[in-house]
Amino acid sequence: ETGVTQTPRHLVMGMTNKKSLKCEQHLGHNAMYWYKQSAKKPLELMFVYSLEERVENNSVPSRFSPECPNSSHLFLHLHTLQPEDSALYLCASGLRGGHEQYFGPGTRLTVT
Amino acid sequence: RKEVEQDPGPFNVPEGATVAFNCTYSNSASQSFFWYRQDCRKEPKLLMSVYSSGNEDGRFTAQLNRASQYISLLIRDSKLSDSATYLCVVNSPSGGSYIPTFGRGTSLIVHP
Repeated sequence: ETGVTQTPRHLVMGMTNKKSLKCEQHLGHNAMYWYKQSAKKPLELMFVYSLEERVENNSVPSRFSPECPNSSHLFLHLHTLQPEDSALYLCASGLRGGHEQYFGPGTRLTVT
Repeated sequence: RKEVEQDPGPFNVPEGATVAFNCTYSNSASQSFFWYRQDCRKEPKLLMSVYSSGNEDGRFTAQLNRASQYISLLIRDSKLSDSATYLCVVNSPSGGSYIPTFGRGTSLIVHP
């Protein structure tokens, strides 16, 4: 499988649930990103990992917890989310140093 | 002032028209610049990189003006299939890494 994949593609969860989003890249990249895209709002950068180290955490609430076990995999662990967290969560990868990014198809999350 | 600003549009143009979008950025230390295209409910896809010398890919031309801190995208001979949201992204240095900031996007509608 090539490119950037994300699972699940759709997720509905209650506010007390714990779930994880998974991202995998097969492009040999060494930087990975999590973004949130809400309706009518721009892409919001949540986390950046470069060489598996977190280099940016854009004041994201602690109910979102990222994990990057290796350069090919990125997770976003979710717990006690709020309805306003419903959005499209996009993963991207690229070469570190400000190069172009390639996006996965996203996980559409609904918090009930 | 927002870090990266785009006119949200929509730009409503007939087939065959030429249309141009601008994107301004506030961080003069920004190093790399890209245009992405995003279709409704899909992930952003890389359209082209932006260089000071300008670059062209078929009907698309991108240009960077560092002095005035803006990038531009010109689309010639618009096609119906060009209808989408066009996102600019600016990479800025931060603690040894580069952090991407996306604009909110410009909506283009090409009509027959």
